[in-house]
Amino acid sequence: AQTVTQSQPEMSVQEAETVTLSCTYDTSESDYYLFWYKQPPSRQMILVIRQEAYKQQNATENRFSVNFQKAAKSFSLKISDSQLGDAAMYFCAWGANNLFFGTGTRLTVIP
Amino acid sequence: DTGVSQDPRHKITKRGQNVTFRCDPISEHNRLYWYRQTLGQGPEFLTYFQNEAQLEKSRLLSDRFSAERPKGSFSTLEIQRTEQGDSAMYLCASSFITGFSYEQYFGPGTRLTVT
Repeated sequence: AQTVTQSQPEMSVQEAETVTLSCTYDTSESDYYLFWYKQPPSRQMILVIRQEAYKQQNATENRFSVNFQKAAKSFSLKISDSQLGDAAMYFCAWGANNLFFGTGTRLTVIP
Repeated sequence: DTGVSQDPRHKITKRGQNVTFRCDPISEHNRLYWYRQTLGQGPEFLTYFQNEAQLEKSRLLSDRFSAERPKGSFSTLEIQRTEQGDSAMYLCASSFITGFSYEQYFGPGTRLTVT
C-alpha cells in the first residue's frame, strides 16, 4: 500500500523554539519526490519544502529543514525559531506524479 | 502570477443534483490535478491531466464523476447525482514538468455541501 503515516496528530511548540514533525511512508517506487505542505485554518495549501528521493543531501528552506532517511522511508520536518505564523496543519506527501498525503499534524505555537 | 484559482469557493446542493467546479491553473503549467479532502484527512488524489490528456484516474473517481480539460488550460470537475458522501473540499493543483514530477501548487478549493 502506498501510504503516508504522520503519527503526531497534534504538536505544540513555544515561540522561538524548535519542533520536529515526523512522517513515514511506504512505496516500492525508486524515483519520487517528498513534500511538506502547510495548510493554515481556512486557507489554501502552501508548499513548505521538497526533497528529491535520489538526493542524499537534506533539503533546507530558511527555518525549515528535513531529515530524509530513504532506507527507513522517513521524512521529518524541523522548524527552527518557530513563529506564530507557523501555526497550521502540516501534511507530508510523496509522489512521482500524483501525491499521496498523510493525515496531517496540527501545530500550535505558544506565544 | 495569479496562482491557481477555483470557482465557486462554496457550493451547497441538494442530494441528486449535478454540480460543476472550475479550476484555472497557473498559466504556464502543463499538469493539472484534482484532489478531494474530507474533514480531518489529507487530500486524496482523484485525477490528473497533462495538457488536455487525462492520464490517470483514481478508483475514488466513480462513474458519477467526470473531469475535462478541453484546451489544456482550465479544467472542470462535474459530479452527477450528488450524494451526501460527496461533501468535501475539492482541491485543484497545477505543476510544470518537463520529464518528472515537480511541486504542485494548490488552489483555495471548492467546499461542497450536499444536503
